[in-house]
Amino acid sequence: KAGVTQTPRYLIKTRGQQVTLSCSPISGHRSVSWYQQTPGQGLQFLFEYFSETQRNKGNFPGRFSGRQFSNSRSEMNVSTLELGDSALYLCASSWTGGKLATNEKLFFGSGTQLSVL
Amino acid sequence: AQKITQTQPGMFVQEKEAVTLDCTYDTSDPSYGLFWYKQPSSGEMIFLIYQGSYDQQNATEGRYSLNFQKARKSANLVISASQLGDSAMYFCAMREGLGGGYNKLIFGAGTRLAVHP
Repeated sequence: KAGVTQTPRYLIKTRGQQVTLSCSPISGHRSVSWYQQTPGQGLQFLFEYFSETQRNKGNFPGRFSGRQFSNSRSEMNVSTLELGDSALYLCASSWTGGKLATNEKLFFGSGTQLSVL
Repeated sequence: AQKITQTQPGMFVQEKEAVTLDCTYDTSDPSYGLFWYKQPSSGEMIFLIYQGSYDQQNATEGRYSLNFQKARKSANLVISASQLGDSAMYFCAMREGLGGGYNKLIFGAGTRLAVHP
């Protein structure tokens, strides 16, 4: 069974540009979450999607957005990139997003390492 | 507010010995789940073990066990018989509530474990 797939693995952009990251969840998983990981702030929750609807959102500016398609694949977009957006962006999937049980595991991808120059 | 604290930025252990990684948490929700993830240099977060707030017994998964002390709000990870491949970052995380928060996990800052031969 294929794991969570994130593309691209590495990305280099310049300030002011926009970027789109992609995530394919494990087959059958309908919940997809995104996290930002930086050395200074650690792992922070960005947003979570379930059945194409955003159910929860972290404390990030509106430049960060996402969407989920009918096949549960998800994309996140960052517009007007800033130097501080340089980070590892991790995608995670699970069956229901923990709606039915707190012990539902999240399965993570290897992440997209974004560097903003 | 919910919070996870990992007070050990770095730990080292001799191969084949046991090591304990500390985690304390803070929440007012009576229903919550605690997770430990391992992050090797490749970036992927690997699930290790889960403990639910209502679980009566400490969780175990192979060489991993969780020392859960609910009254003290601590959930320490014990790795027995350390292996060189255990060298990685270890994160403690919490999900609150049945159906609430969904996959918004709160992560600690992590502990970097180095296993020496």
